[in-house]
Amino acid sequence: DADVTQTPRNRITKTGKRIMLECSQTKGHDRMYWYRQDPGLGLRLIYYSFDVKDINKGEISDGYSVSRQAQAKFSLSLESAIPNQTALYFCATSEGRTMTTGELFFGEGSRLTVL
Amino acid sequence: AQSVTQLDSQVPVFEEAPVELRCNYSSSVSVYLFWYVQYPNQGLQLLLKYLSGSTLVESINGFEAEFNKSQTSFHLRKPSVHISDTAEYFCAVTSRGYQKVTFGTGTKLQVIP
Repeated sequence: DADVTQTPRNRITKTGKRIMLECSQTKGHDRMYWYRQDPGLGLRLIYYSFDVKDINKGEISDGYSVSRQAQAKFSLSLESAIPNQTALYFCATSEGRTMTTGELFFGEGSRLTVL
Repeated sequence: AQSVTQLDSQVPVFEEAPVELRCNYSSSVSVYLFWYVQYPNQGLQLLLKYLSGSTLVESINGFEAEFNKSQTSFHLRKPSVHISDTAEYFCAVTSRGYQKVTFGTGTKLQVIP
């Protein structure tokens, strides 16, 4: 089984719908992240969390919200999806609260299409 | 603020030829540098990393990268590519005591038989 699991892997939805992408990890890492990948733009950070009570906005957080339900679970929500949120979304984890190298461990991605 | 520039969006190369994927970074503090690889329809996985010490780092599948502080570069090289190296490669940077990792826009390596 994968260490970082994302569900769903693929989702097609309509404009205005609420969507939740879920991420769970078995690596025991404290830090979790949500990125989106768009062709030619690389990966951009949406939100990150260093522990259950610590949530931080990334560079493109508008239109998104997150919930850290437990150390192992980090969910990304689109309250009212719009077409330009069509992208490949990645959850990632890294170890340590104070001592860490920044190495990230990725899930396999959730492809979201908003019509 | 930190940033990463990958100068080439696509690099076609014939099988068994050498390749270099370029990466330049900008940061005001000491950095950790990474190369990640993304095979088709998969997530990203770490290829190699520079944390400290020797400026030349190697991966298990023949890639190497050299940290050049004066040129703020971390170019990825392989002396002889294989079809299975076809993938997208991302350079990334973070600072010591970091808050977040910044990625480049990626370089698609296409190995031609």
